[in-house]
Amino acid sequence: GEDVEQSLFLSVREGDSSVINCTYTDSSSTYLYWYKQEPGAGLQLLTYIFSNMDMKQDQRLTVLLNKKDKHLSLRIADTQTGDSAIYFCAERGNTGGFKTIFGAGTRLFVKA
Amino acid sequence: GAVVSQHPSRVICKSGTSVKIECRSLDFQATTMFWYRQFPKQSLMLMATSNEGSKATYEQGVEKDKFLINHASLTLSTLTVTSAHPEDSSFYICSAPIGKNTEAFFGQGTRLTVV
Repeated sequence: GEDVEQSLFLSVREGDSSVINCTYTDSSSTYLYWYKQEPGAGLQLLTYIFSNMDMKQDQRLTVLLNKKDKHLSLRIADTQTGDSAIYFCAERGNTGGFKTIFGAGTRLFVKA
Repeated sequence: GAVVSQHPSRVICKSGTSVKIECRSLDFQATTMFWYRQFPKQSLMLMATSNEGSKATYEQGVEKDKFLINHASLTLSTLTVTSAHPEDSSFYICSAPIGKNTEAFFGQGTRLTVV
């Protein structure tokens, strides 16, 4: 079945860039997402990218997609303490009812 | 933009009772909705796909008699946790795509605590 993998932890200093990586297995993925979840809260859609794109930039966020390697990354420029949260990579394909499959989440710690 | 509303946001119930969670698409019709469950410090696991006008499709390992799903209209899907036990305590979240080739929108989630 479909699988999405990402590293569990990342620690950066305030002001540095953060790069969170993700790999997926579903070659039919049409949408790839990055969600942010703060403690006790629901999901916040940060950004998404179509599978026919290789890069998308939105203010401090840059998403890179390597479709050949099925690798997705999220770069957060000038990381702030408010960026501390869990970041979920997710993919949505054309099979299985177009369901969204999530990675385990990367916990980002930002040190002041 | 499109909004998915989930209610209630928090619920505490006694062991053995049933709890109903609603997921509504507010400004669009959703023939399909998805229900996820998230345990503390873990990812979201897809439980089932709710289909308007037909039976839900459950993921492997999810008890359909325990987690009853009803998709009675194009804007409402409900998840009922029957005979709830403390191990059912979790964060439940629904999502609804506008169409087949668009992003899916998520509800704000329901934190269920069974005491």
